[in-house]
Amino acid sequence: DQQVKQNSPSLSVQEGRISILNCDYTNSMFDYFLWYKKYPAEGPTFLISISSIKDKNEDGRFTVFLNKSAKHLSLHIVPSQPGDSAVYFCAARCHSSASKIIFGSGTRLSIRP
Amino acid sequence: EPEVTQTPSHQVTQMGQEVILRCVPISNHLYFYWYRQILGQKVEFLVSFYNNEISEKSEIFDDQFSVERPDGSNFTLKIRSTKLEDSAMYFCASSPRLQTVDEQFFGPGTRLTVL
Repeated sequence: DQQVKQNSPSLSVQEGRISILNCDYTNSMFDYFLWYKKYPAEGPTFLISISSIKDKNEDGRFTVFLNKSAKHLSLHIVPSQPGDSAVYFCAARCHSSASKIIFGSGTRLSIRP
Repeated sequence: EPEVTQTPSHQVTQMGQEVILRCVPISNHLYFYWYRQILGQKVEFLVSFYNNEISEKSEIFDDQFSVERPDGSNFTLKIRSTKLEDSAMYFCASSPRLQTVDEQFFGPGTRLTVL
């Protein structure tokens, strides 16, 4: 099941620079996309979301961009901070399912000083 | 800040044994979920639960699995006869509403090891 794909297992970014995490999806029935952040020994924590009718959503340092024609979304973090070091999961919901979230495999982001 | 809690943090069991994983959702939440993450793989949806009934389940959630809300606070996942491939991190989540998936709050997880 590769409906949500995160092709970069890891990413290293210098503190203060922009982090860009990418995600691709295959199911055109997805109507809602989410990004989660996960620290070791903790559950995923919701970060930011975007509806399929929008192409951008911004919340502080975090911005999610959605390109429906390319079935691609990205998460921008600027400026990157040490506390941003975590695993980031892209996820999606199919409009026919109220509760099921389909996750990508995650990208481990490391912010270096 | 209210949070979802899960016990135990780590459960080791022998293949074929029954296990019960416990979760205490956030108190005013009405919808409950179980997810699992096999080591190195994706987080996968197992089941959602509302009003003492399963709302939705994945193909992973077969007859070996069951969920229950035995009292007003706990939400449990039972695996009847564990297999080696059930070894995974199991996350419970809860939400106040069904349609808003971004309001699913996750617990810290229970690591299940089947020997």
